[in-house]
Amino acid sequence: DAKTTQPNSMESNEEEPVHLPCNHSTISGTDYIHWYRQLPSQGPEYVIHGLTSNVNNRMASLAIAEDRKSSTLILHRATLRDAAVYYCILRLTGSSNTGKLIFGQGTTLQVKP
Amino acid sequence: KAGVTQTPRYLIKTRGQQVTLSCSPISGHRSVSWYQQTPGQGLQFLFEYFSETQRNKGNFPGRFSGRQFSNSRSEMNVSTLELGDSALYLCASSGSGASTDTQYFGPGTRLTVL
Repeated sequence: DAKTTQPNSMESNEEEPVHLPCNHSTISGTDYIHWYRQLPSQGPEYVIHGLTSNVNNRMASLAIAEDRKSSTLILHRATLRDAAVYYCILRLTGSSNTGKLIFGQGTTLQVKP
Repeated sequence: KAGVTQTPRYLIKTRGQQVTLSCSPISGHRSVSWYQQTPGQGLQFLFEYFSETQRNKGNFPGRFSGRQFSNSRSEMNVSTLELGDSALYLCASSGSGASTDTQYFGPGTRLTVL
């Protein structure tokens, strides 16, 4: 299974930007990079995904390194509601990988008021 | 659109019993995936169903099984329950299960095995 490496935990101050790093050195050319987060007592929720180019949506931005071996999830202004476990996931293509998310340990983000 | 719903939300069983959990996907979604979440192992993929067929399976024993109905609703069954099966069971639905698809998760069923 494709592996990602994330820091176990990070802290941020409210209203400040947060950069969550992820290493995925074994990524292959067709693997998509997805980010999900899990708030306390909830199921995971989708944040953003990309293949090669940087991506923006209303929740966050995803910056992908040119060699695609690492990526960074950017929360532009952290709020207390952003405190969660953030998972960086490689979505593999192919029939043996349909509907399958491989979760690592993720990064627990604490946001301080 | 209504989100993914799971029933029941909480369940207590004893060792050796069996249990059936239910998942109703978002309307129009045909792929349903199941995950087990425990403090020790984190989130682990169980299996995925699409059009009533299991397309993908994780590394779990045969005691864990599932099925999908023609309306895309899915059930998972665990037979001969063990203490280690205590976990949060999450289902997620997506349109097709493709690598570009977003998975939408339900709130989960918390299973406690005594």
